[in-house]
Order: sequence, then structure tokens, then C-alpha cells
Amino acid sequence: EAQVTQNPRYLITVTGKKLTVTCSQNMNHEYMSWYRQDPGLGLRQIYYSMNVEVTDKGDVPEGYKVSRKEKRNFPLILESPSPNQTSLYFCASMRGFNEQFFGPGTRLTVL
Amino acid sequence: ILNVEQSPQSLHVQEGDSTNFTCSFPSSNFYALHWYRWETAKSPEALFVMTLNGDEKKKGRISATLNTKEGYSYLYIKGSQPEDSATYLCAPPGGSARQLTFGSGTQLTVLP
Repeated sequence: EAQVTQNPRYLITVTGKKLTVTCSQNMNHEYMSWYRQDPGLGLRQIYYSMNVEVTDKGDVPEGYKVSRKEKRNFPLILESPSPNQTSLYFCASMRGFNEQFFGPGTRLTVL
Repeated sequence: ILNVEQSPQSLHVQEGDSTNFTCSFPSSNFYALHWYRWETAKSPEALFVMTLNGDEKKKGRISATLNTKEGYSYLYIKGSQPEDSATYLCAPPGGSARQLTFGSGTQLTVLP
């Protein structure tokens, strides 16, 4: 089944404790992206990647890192999480200019 | 950051009513506009990807039109059903073809 997976789905952590949210897709898509969703603000793009070893900042990249060492994986790294990064995170992938496929979401709480 | 506006923010309609929403965006450097449907507790799902001025797409009772010169897209739902209740998001491209900027969405509630 074609899908985008994210792990973990839920995470509660404390300020400053490094964490990684994994994202993987099995559709051989070149493009992958991370979004955060906050009430009243909609989906905002954090980082995107057009292919292996190619990443670019989205609209809200501060406090996040990403890497794209393999085509299927695009992890999101929070080196020192802060409470303002409490949010619902979505990973997505896309081939060409076609529609994006979204993962199930990761709900992160930073205390 | 690209300014994307969707209107109305929320909408309540009766089952069987037809309705439409608007997505407005700057009209320059257009690549493709995406429409997504987002149900509560689920992930956004793609409805349409529109690339040409004058483009019209249809999927069942839902259709969309695109005007890149004036910077807007309309989404229409004919004969709304309770299962159409969701938030509808549009995403025109941002600074580059792949940097999608989402609007805040139109939340549709269809009352039985």
C-alpha cells in the first residue's frame, strides 16, 4: 500500500531534550516536506526537499533541522525543543507537480 | 511569506445545498494550485492540482476552477452531504514551484 509513515504518532517531552520525528514514504517520490499545524494558523511549511541531499527552508524553519540521505526518509530534528514547538506535525511526499500525500501526523507536546 | 486568503472561514449549510469557497493568492509566478480536503482527526487528502489558467477539474459532486491572471480559485460542492463536512485547504506555490503555502482553510459543516 502506498503510504507515508511517521513515528512517533504522539510524543511528550521536556524543553531542551533533542528529539527526532521520522518520516518514510514507499512511493519513490522525489519531493518531501514537513508542516506544522497550529490552531488559527493552518498548515505552515517547515522544510522541504526536492531530492536526496537537497533541502530548503519553508516558511517557519527556525528551531528545526532536516536531512535527506535516502530518497524514502526525511527525518525532522529538534535539537533543543521549546514549548512553542508544541504542535501537530505532518510529513508529506509528492511526485513532480502532482498532489501531496500526507502522513498520519505526529502530535508533539514540549513541557 | 505568500499571502493566501480563503473565504469564508467557516460555513454551515443544509444537506442538499450547493456551496462554494474562494482561494485568493498573488497572481505572479504561478506553477500549480492544490486543493485538499481535511477531515477532523485525519490527514489532508488531495482533491485537485490545477496548473493552467481557466483550468476546471471535477471529482463527483466537487469541482474547481482557476483564474491565475486575477489570482483566485473557486471550489464548488453540488448537493452537499454530511460526509462533505471537512476543512478545505488551498495551496498555491510560494517562492518556488515546490514551496507550497497553505491557506487557513474553509471549515464546512453540512447539517442533516
